[in-house]
Amino acid sequence: AQSVTQLDSHVSVSEGTPVLLRCNYSSSYSPSLFWYVQHPNKGLQLLLKYTSAATLVKGINGFEAEFKKSETSFHLTKPSAHMSDAAEYFCVVSDLDTSGTYKYIFGTGTRLKVLA
Amino acid sequence: DGGITQSPKYLFRKEGQNVTLSCEQNLNHDAMYWYRQDPGQGLRLIYYSQIVNDFQKGDIAEGYSVSREKKESFPLTVTSAQKNPTAFYLCASTLGLGTVVGNTEAFFGQGTRLTVV
Repeated sequence: AQSVTQLDSHVSVSEGTPVLLRCNYSSSYSPSLFWYVQHPNKGLQLLLKYTSAATLVKGINGFEAEFKKSETSFHLTKPSAHMSDAAEYFCVVSDLDTSGTYKYIFGTGTRLKVLA
Repeated sequence: DGGITQSPKYLFRKEGQNVTLSCEQNLNHDAMYWYRQDPGQGLRLIYYSQIVNDFQKGDIAEGYSVSREKKESFPLTVTSAQKNPTAFYLCASTLGLGTVVGNTEAFFGQGTRLTVV
């Protein structure tokens, strides 16, 4: 079965410095991968998704992620953090279950803190 | 604007009570999902429905029930059998049947925070 591991539960960066949120996955086939962002007491918003096209995926708000099959990674990056980026981020893999239905497997989340 | 609406935003339940969380979407999506979110545990799937009048248990269905009488509505009932219901509940939907669209993104509601008092 597919799984996803977010390597850091908390990340703190200073405003204007780069952001790196790490995600590793396991999959027996070519997966679809997503990053979502959640602000406090809100729903989840899609940042970007990888679906076997270009390995470098650009998303909203200046975020991007690179799919590296050899490393089974899908790390999220941003060149310069903004205060409004403070939120929780989820890495998600799309999993085909035994009934032939796709379900979404969520990582446990990384809380990003941006320091002024 | 299209989207998913969850209500209420906050809900308080007494011990032994059943409560129902509402989820409505006007995106014309076929599939709908309910997730439970607890701190540090990510999202866990409770129930999902691919089409009207059909639904399947997710990973933590015990103590919950759902119905899908209309395409746009997927209410979740938290029954008294759910021993630890305090959590943040999220409803989501996707465009098509899961067997065809594994790479489609999910759209989420704003969540309902349920607290047992």
